[in-house]
Amino acid sequence: DIQMTQSPSTLSASVGDRVTITCRASQSIKNWLAWYQQRPGKAPKLLIYEASTLETDVPSRFSGSGSGTEFTLTINSLRPDDFATYYCQQYASWFRTFGPGTKIHMK
Amino acid sequence: QVQLVQSGAEVTKPGASVKVSCTTSDYTFTTYGINWVRQAPGQGLEWMGWISTQNGNTNYAQNLQGRVTISADTSTSTAYMELRSLRSDDTAFYYCARDLGSYSGGTYPFDYWGQGTLITVSS
Repeated sequence: DIQMTQSPSTLSASVGDRVTITCRASQSIKNWLAWYQQRPGKAPKLLIYEASTLETDVPSRFSGSGSGTEFTLTINSLRPDDFATYYCQQYASWFRTFGPGTKIHMK
Repeated sequence: QVQLVQSGAEVTKPGASVKVSCTTSDYTFTTYGINWVRQAPGQGLEWMGWISTQNGNTNYAQNLQGRVTISADTSTSTAYMELRSLRSDDTAFYYCARDLGSYSGGTYPFDYWGQGTLITVSS
């Protein structure tokens, strides 16, 4: 299976900050990478797929980049409802695996 | 709008089986595959498996192979996930989630999710 890692595991930030999360794959996944946001008690929400394509209705302050084995999710000008946990997911393989998550909490 | 509605929470004993349903609406069920993902309390997301709603083909996570069965009933637009020989570490929220794309030969991220079903395994 393709293994996914994320850094950092937790991130302390303030409203208005720019934050970046990194996701790495154990082998090349080209651009077959998605990012999800999960708020407490809720199902995950798809934000970005194909590494950089914004899902419908996702605000433009979210952006993704990368290819191969290293990817980033950037949130510009953090808003109160962005404090959540973010997961990357590879779908290059039938056995779609998630990263361990990055929790953004308020400083 | 597209909805995936799951069955309710269950408490069950070690060694038993559980079957969770995921009833879909407002789209053509056989166009998009359905996945199951679980999340132990306070933990991350674990993909469990996938079913093609077009032909019933399945893929399962290797660590669950032999204990999990995913099925689909096209007449009711409902997918099911059955997990057998339950252990305490199977206690988790179980989610169904729809493939973003419709080509049955491709793999996709998940655009619509059910609300989650809490399965508690306890003696």
